[in-house]
Amino acid sequence: AQKITQTQPGMFVQEKEAVTLDCTYDTSDPSYGLFWYKQPSSGEMIFLIYQGSYDQQNATEGRYSLNFQKARKSANLVISASQLGDSAMYFCAMRVALNSGGYQKVTFGTGTKLQVIP
Amino acid sequence: EPEVTQTPSHQVTQMGQEVILRCVPISNHLYFYWYRQILGQKVEFLVSFYNNEISEKSEIFDDQFSVERPDGSNFTLKIRSTKLEDSAMYFCASSELQFTILTSIEQYFGPGTRLTVT
Repeated sequence: AQKITQTQPGMFVQEKEAVTLDCTYDTSDPSYGLFWYKQPSSGEMIFLIYQGSYDQQNATEGRYSLNFQKARKSANLVISASQLGDSAMYFCAMRVALNSGGYQKVTFGTGTKLQVIP
Repeated sequence: EPEVTQTPSHQVTQMGQEVILRCVPISNHLYFYWYRQILGQKVEFLVSFYNNEISEKSEIFDDQFSVERPDGSNFTLKIRSTKLEDSAMYFCASSELQFTILTSIEQYFGPGTRLTVT
């Protein structure tokens, strides 16, 4: 079974500062992908960034980067230069890549609520 | 940009009634999913659907739930006899391809339907 743990229920960050949102995961499968989603107060789920378990480099997408430490089973999200619009719930998630026809579901963590302070 | 749409955005129903939540996935996508998020909690996988059949379901997806792709564009979730604990946000998602470790084929989420059972 797969498990995602986000230990920070809430975080505050000053505008323009960087912030790290923690995520640890557990799976026995060697092939998996890690995702971060943003959920603003309006409720929709917005894909931010992806990291494959065999990727050698940490993923980056604009102001988002994923600090992937495979041995520690952690996949922390780093947001640089925080903006007021970054205030939202952030979910870490995982998919396991099994054989064709295998499991496709995304397993989510409990989320971290980020508030950016002006 | 293509997007997943869901209707209605908010559904209020009485306990014991049947509800149908509708989703229109992105047109060339082949894999479809339903998730739910009870208020303040994490997103939970319900079911995945491919080639007109369920490919995986969670323990939440019991006999009161069913899914259907009735006409090649809509993807529906039916809850036969709603209970108070079914009150949640229901997200539909779709993906073009099966997830593999070499791809970052994320699931595109719809905006959600908020179901309130009274």
